[in-house]
Amino acid sequence: GEDVEQSLFLSVREGDSSVINCTYTDSSSTYLYWYKQEPGAGLQLLTYIFSNMDMKQDQRLTVLLNKKDKHLSLRIADTQTGDSAIYFCAERGDDYKLSFGAGTTVTVRA
Amino acid sequence: DAGITQSPRHKVTETGTPVTLRCHQTENHRYMYWYRQDPGHGLRLIHYSYGVKDTDKGEVSDGYSVSRSKTEDFLLTLESATSSQTSVYFCAIRDSTYEQYFGPGTRLTVT
Repeated sequence: GEDVEQSLFLSVREGDSSVINCTYTDSSSTYLYWYKQEPGAGLQLLTYIFSNMDMKQDQRLTVLLNKKDKHLSLRIADTQTGDSAIYFCAERGDDYKLSFGAGTTVTVRA
Repeated sequence: DAGITQSPRHKVTETGTPVTLRCHQTENHRYMYWYRQDPGHGLRLIHYSYGVKDTDKGEVSDGYSVSRSKTEDFLLTLESATSSQTSVYFCAIRDSTYEQYFGPGTRLTVT
């Protein structure tokens, strides 16, 4: 089956940029997603990118996709304390099912 | 907010007891999913449904069953709970654009 990998932890200073990385294995993935999970809450769809795109920008969020290397990243500009959360990368296969990475816990320090 | 609620939100139960978790949606979506979330594993699909009485297994379905007798409700049952089923359970719906939206989760502890 599919396998999505992420680093588990990231610590960033408030105001700096955060970059969360993800690698996936299913070359037929059509969409790749980033979800955010705040403590005690469900997953919130943050953004996504279609597989024929290289980049997508949405306010403070930038998604970069390197399809050749099967590498996805999420950049958060001007990171704020409210950005502290777990971020999950997910790929969507042909059957529309999602495969998730283990999640990256982002801690924003003052 | 995709109109998804889960109940109960927290449950503690003993090994060997049956447990049923409920997912309720208000927007008439056809597809519904049950995931479990465990540290180091992200979310893993347990079962999903593509309509009333239409369900299929996910990657970690052993020890779980589901039922969907109405569009709005998707039930997950642990017939005989084990400690390995201690987890946080999330329900999700798939909307018409194929995006999945999640409920708030149920934290289940099996002692």
